[in-house]
This record gives sequence, C-alpha cells and structure tokens, in this order.
Amino acid sequence: GAVVSQHPSWVICKSGTSVKIECRSLDFQATTMFWYRQFPKQSLMLMATSNEGSKATYEQGVEKDKFLINHASLTLSTLTVTSAHPEDSSFYICSARAESGGDTDTQYFGPGTRLTVL
Amino acid sequence: GQNIDQPTEMTATEGAIVQINCTYQTSGFNGLFWYQQHAGEAPTFLSYNVLDGLEEKGRFSSFLSRSKGYSYLLLKELQMKDSASYLCAIMDSNYQLIWGAGTKLIIKP
Repeated sequence: GAVVSQHPSWVICKSGTSVKIECRSLDFQATTMFWYRQFPKQSLMLMATSNEGSKATYEQGVEKDKFLINHASLTLSTLTVTSAHPEDSSFYICSARAESGGDTDTQYFGPGTRLTVL
Repeated sequence: GQNIDQPTEMTATEGAIVQINCTYQTSGFNGLFWYQQHAGEAPTFLSYNVLDGLEEKGRFSSFLSRSKGYSYLLLKELQMKDSASYLCAIMDSNYQLIWGAGTKLIIKP
C-alpha cells in the first residue's frame, strides 16, 4: 500500500530555533498534503492543507508565519516551525492524498514527528 | 516488517451492531488507537488501548489482545452519521504511528 514517511522522527531543540519537518509520499504522487497536530489521546487537529505549487491553506487560529509550509513537489511537503517555543512541543503528523484529489480519496498518514522544545 | 490489516469496506444496517477488526505485526507496542474520519474532515479520536481487554465508551467499545496482535472496534445502535472511515493505528517502540489503511463503513437504512 501507499507509504508516507516523515523526517525526522523526533527532534529536541532549544527555544527560539527553527525546525523543519519533511513529509514524503514514497510510492505515489500527492497533489494535496495535510499537516496535523496531535495532543495525547486527542483528535488530530488540522493545521493546514498544502497543495503542490500553491500556497497552503491554514486553519483558523494557526499562524502561517510561524508554521511555514512548502509543497514544492508532488512527493514532498515541509513544515517549518519558526522560533519554536515550549508550547509548540507536540506530535506533528502529515498525510497525503493521491492525485485524483477528491474528498473521498484515501488519505495516507505518516508516522509522525515528535517535537520537544526546551 | 510492520503490518496492520483491517477490512477495506463494511456495510451494516441502521440500529444494528458492527465489529471492525484490526490485526497487526509491529516492532514494539505502545498502544493502539482508533479514529473516525468523515470524508474531507480530520480524524477524530475514538479510543486508545494499551492493556488487554475491553474499553467501553458509550456506543463505541474497543478491544485489545496484545498476545494475538488483534483489536476490534465495536459500534452499537448504528446511526447514519456513523458512516465514515475507521482507522486503526499502532504506536510502535519508537513512539511512531503505524496506520492501517482504514475501513470504510457504510450504513444503510
């Protein structure tokens, strides 16, 4: 089946630094990728929807200047947490949707990236 | 290798009960999650099992057997709004999530 990878798996950084997380679709092309944030035992909170070659669409309350998303190719989207602070510590999950792009198309989820900001 | 299996699609009748199975083989185990996802929406957390047994939460229950690498999600008194995809995910020894492909549940009147 379709595979989505994330890198790094986990990262610890100092407050004020920027962290980049990569999301790759390994065996299919994804015109749409989604970035989620998950708090323990809670639903995934959609942060933004990223479409290849265009600007990401951010959900209400998500700071686009803080969470920079780039979807430069059909297999790679990146999320950069700029000037990270301890409250940004979380589990970040991406998912990718295959090229046909309908809402009913399957989303394939990545394994997540655990960010800890000291 | 790591593998999670769940049925691709199931159909059930409104008011009935349905059981969605999930079997897994993973490197380590730090819990099993069930999520519900309606088309075009983010997955909603349903349950988390880390110990063997049944966890009941309203109309939804989740069961885990670690020795068998098996879980199920039981939905009772089905409602039309329960039509959705149900995702099984395992947190492995590295605290990474391994996702099943999801089971599309269709509820008929």
